[in-house]
This record gives sequence, C-alpha cells and structure tokens, in this order.
Amino acid sequence: GENVEQHPSTLSVQEGDSAVIKCTYSDSASNYFPWYKQELGKRPQLIIDIRSNVGEKKDQRIAVTLNKTAKHFSLHITETQPEDSAVYFCAAVSGTYKYIFGTGTRLKVLA
Amino acid sequence: DTAVSQTPKYLVTQMGNDKSIKCEQNLGHDTMYWYKQDSKKFLKIMFSYNNKELIINETVPNRFSPKSPDKAHLNLHINSLELGDSAVYFCASSQYGKTQYFGPGTRLLVL
Repeated sequence: GENVEQHPSTLSVQEGDSAVIKCTYSDSASNYFPWYKQELGKRPQLIIDIRSNVGEKKDQRIAVTLNKTAKHFSLHITETQPEDSAVYFCAAVSGTYKYIFGTGTRLKVLA
Repeated sequence: DTAVSQTPKYLVTQMGNDKSIKCEQNLGHDTMYWYKQDSKKFLKIMFSYNNKELIINETVPNRFSPKSPDKAHLNLHINSLELGDSAVYFCASSQYGKTQYFGPGTRLLVL
C-alpha cells in the first residue's frame, strides 16, 4: 500500500545550525507534498508545501526540495531557533483527498 | 473566528461507554477528515467525507461511526470504548485538492 518513510525520527541540533528532514514516498501519483509542524499539545500546522511541478521552494528560513524521480522530498531549516523545536510531519498527497503522513521527526534545538 | 473547531477538548470515560466528538469548520471547505494520533505521534487517517459523502474509510473497527449532517460538520461516534482507543483525535478540513487545516484535537482517555 501507499506509505511515506520519514527520517530521522529524532534530531537534535545546536541553535543556529541547520536541520534536514527527509521523506520518501511510494505512490508515483503523488503530486502535492505539505510539511506540518506540531508543537507540544497543539494541532499540526502547515509550514510549507510544494507541488510536483516545482523542484524547490523557500520561505525565509525554511525550504523544501523535491526529487520526483527518486520519490524523495526534504525539509531544510536554517539558523534554527529554540522555537523551531517541535514534531514535523511530511505528507504525500495523490488524487484529491488522501494524505499519507510520514511518521514524524521530533526536532530539538539546543540553546 | 476559529476555522476548525472540535468539542470536547478533553474526554475521560470508562471502558464500554459510548461517546461522540463533534467537529465544525467555517472555511467553506468541501472535505473533512478524522485522524487518530497515538502516543507515538503517528497521524493515522480514519475517515473522510466530501460533500457529505464518505470517500475514505480506512481499516477502523466498526465501533467507530462518522456522520456528516452537512458540509460544515463531521462527527465521530465511538461505541463500546476500549483502552486502546485512548489517543488524540483530530478533525481536519480542506477544499478540493488543497491544504488541510486541523482542529485543536480531542484528547480521549479511556479508563
């Protein structure tokens, strides 16, 4: 069945360093790839997304890259800050309705 | 002006009881979802409705029954609650093929 693998499951970085989270999807029909941030006790919130006709997208300190051939996409956070600490989820969406979420990455930014 | 709301926020109940969780969105979206997030933070889709029609029905015990009285509401009824049902249940909504927005979650604890 469809699945999305996400690595690493936990990631600790020093404040100011970069963080990279990687996802691999199985459904070649996937055409939309959102990333969500979930702070402790809160709801997942969209932070950035990319569609299959684009290879890279940036929004200030965060960027997402997509390699459709390899079915890989990654989240890059530069100049990390303590408030970036959260659980991050990738998702792959094919068709209109079904989101397949990755297993999440717990990011800790150490001050 | 809450976009996606859920009630109740917390639910503590005994095994064997029946309970309902309600979800409402005021975004004018046509699709609504229920997710279960367990203690390991995995986000697992349970159901999805598009314009009141059930379109995603994952492998979920038939003790769980969703109902969508209209496009803006999606409720989840759970019969004969079990210990393993303890989790956070998130409602989400989206417009055709676009970003999903999550509700605040309902924290269910079955004793």
